Amino acid sequence: GQQVMQIPQYQHVQEGEDFTTYCNSSTTLSNIQWYKQRPGGHPVFLIQLVKSGEVKKQKRLTFQFGEAKKNSSLHITATQTTDVGTYFCMNRDDKIIFGKGTRLHILP
Amino acid sequence: EPEVTQTPSHQVTQMGQEVILRCVPISNHLYFYWYRQILGQKVEFLVSFYNNEISEKSEIFDDQFSVERPDGSNFTLKIRSTKLEDSAMYFCASTRRAVGYGYTFGSGTRLTVV
Repeated sequence: GQQVMQIPQYQHVQEGEDFTTYCNSSTTLSNIQWYKQRPGGHPVFLIQLVKSGEVKKQKRLTFQFGEAKKNSSLHITATQTTDVGTYFCMNRDDKIIFGKGTRLHILP
Repeated sequence: EPEVTQTPSHQVTQMGQEVILRCVPISNHLYFYWYRQILGQKVEFLVSFYNNEISEKSEIFDDQFSVERPDGSNFTLKIRSTKLEDSAMYFCASTRRAVGYGYTFGSGTRLTVV
């Protein structure tokens, strides 16, 4: 069935280092959304991507949608302690499907 | 900024009991959703609701579950006879349109079935 696979599951980075999480699908996606969930918190919408090759930026966050619309990435430049949390992708085509998320830990 | 409000924040119930989880979506949103997240796992879609009826539901949303919008503001999820495996965080979410907009999630209700 339809799935979105997210890697890595966990990522530990030193504060100031960059971080990237990837979301991959075996089928073409019409859209991808990204959410952040702080520890003990609720998902917070970050962005939606719909166009092939689309790149969107929010301050230190860069979101990409692949040319084939089968993968997406979220890149954080120069991580800060406030970036701690789980980042997950979500697709809403035939079904609403969430990735398992990448848990980001920041080492001071 | 408008919020989705959920009550209670934590509910402990005996196995076999009925629970009702409550949500107040954002007032100008038209689409309402329930999701669940078992501890340490991914968010799972349960059901979507539009125009006073269920528009979509997942395999998880079986006959034990029901949703209702009893008035103009509340949106409820009922679990008729809770099981141990129903223990999870339940999130309500709303959005203005079905596509093109992100979901605004509530803070969740942590349901513990004992």
